[in-house]
Amino acid sequence: NAGVTQTPKFRVLKTGQSMTLLCAQDMNHEYMYWYRQDPGMGLRLIHYSVGEGTTAKGEVPDGYNVSRLKKQNFLLGLESAAPSQTSVYFCASSSHLAGDGTEQYFGPGTRLTVT
Amino acid sequence: GENVEQHPSTLSVQEGDSAVIKCTYSDSASNYFPWYKQELGKRPQLIIDIRSNVGEKKDQRIAVTLNKTAKHFSLHITETQPEDSAVYFCAVFSSGNTPLVFGKGTRLSVIA
Repeated sequence: NAGVTQTPKFRVLKTGQSMTLLCAQDMNHEYMYWYRQDPGMGLRLIHYSVGEGTTAKGEVPDGYNVSRLKKQNFLLGLESAAPSQTSVYFCASSSHLAGDGTEQYFGPGTRLTVT
Repeated sequence: GENVEQHPSTLSVQEGDSAVIKCTYSDSASNYFPWYKQELGKRPQLIIDIRSNVGEKKDQRIAVTLNKTAKHFSLHITETQPEDSAVYFCAVFSSGNTPLVFGKGTRLSVIA
């Protein structure tokens, strides 16, 4: 049981390049989330999904797109990377959105640098 | 939307002393309040949580108290140890379909 995994662990992009971050979970969770973490800013929600085939915007969605084609995977895309997207990206999942099972399990993070 | 304020942003305590971190929130309908610990270079991990129908919850050296009327909740760590040094995040979940909103974090340093 690997929990939540993320690939890649590190990446350096040039401004304007594109990339996709992959999140996978093996806990059969319905809900998945993408956060970015910047110094002094805490964790900010980019997009989330309440089930296979669904996505919703979070607090800071601009410049990112997501897809949830399979229940276990949640992809985060950057179409044209900008230096402001330099950050550590965390994926998380939970079995429920309210009540028991609300705990979010986080992946190990992806450190992205855009030059 | 929900607004979460966390204080202090940094906290230094002597080993063995207690540490208290406080969060305030704005949505009176919020009903779930977890605390996450993040060690340097690691992922956030849940350490304790409390639901709105409970005023206090304790797990060994860690406790969380909730004051729904005043809309604030606090993390209490007693008998601090060097391994408690980390960044702690509070979070708030409202009754609607809104995921967790996190505070900006408190960097706790326990000095041996």
